Amino acid sequence: DAGVTQSPTHLIKTRGQQVTLRCSPKSGHDTVSWYQQALGQGPQFIFQYYEEEERQRGNFPDRFSGHQFPNYSSELNVNALLLGDSALYLCASSDPGQGPYEQYFGPGTRLTVT
Amino acid sequence: QQPVQSPQAVILREGEDAVINCSSSKALYSVHWYRQKHGEAPIFLMILLKGGEQKGHDKISASFNEKKQQSSLYLTASQLSYSGTYFCGTTKNDYKLSFGAGTTVTVRA
Repeated sequence: DAGVTQSPTHLIKTRGQQVTLRCSPKSGHDTVSWYQQALGQGPQFIFQYYEEEERQRGNFPDRFSGHQFPNYSSELNVNALLLGDSALYLCASSDPGQGPYEQYFGPGTRLTVT
Repeated sequence: QQPVQSPQAVILREGEDAVINCSSSKALYSVHWYRQKHGEAPIFLMILLKGGEQKGHDKISASFNEKKQQSSLYLTASQLSYSGTYFCGTTKNDYKLSFGAGTTVTVRA
């Protein structure tokens, strides 16, 4: 049973560019959440997708957008990249049948903005 | 509103016990505990729900004081594998999981 997978593993971009990160949830999970984790800090909630809709959003600007596909996989898009966007981006999936908030994390995508 | 964790770091010898605390200024619905090793994804340990239901890891225990909006994670008879950074996450009966800054635990032989 595959867990949460994310791609790519690492990414280097230049300020002002746009980036797309991808996530496939754990088998049987239909909810995907995205987090940004800066070095030495806890993950910060970006948003959550359920039934292809953004269900809740954290304190992130509109430069951060997402999408969920019918197969429950998800993308995170970041436009007009800033140096401060450099971080580990984590995707987590959950199954409402197991309790509303028990989340399983993927290995993350390390984004470096130069 | 991020929860506050304490201590920031703790060093243990194998077999020793430790307590990690997590507190919030807001009323909580649930408290989640995760452990993250360097370069790896956070691993789910424990969830504590308002009303007392608890699910999670059988070698590590936790408590949730709803009145004080505080939770504690108990590492008993620590093992080398317990090393890592422990995060508490909290929800207010919504979908947003807010994490604390983490507590780094180092267990030495």
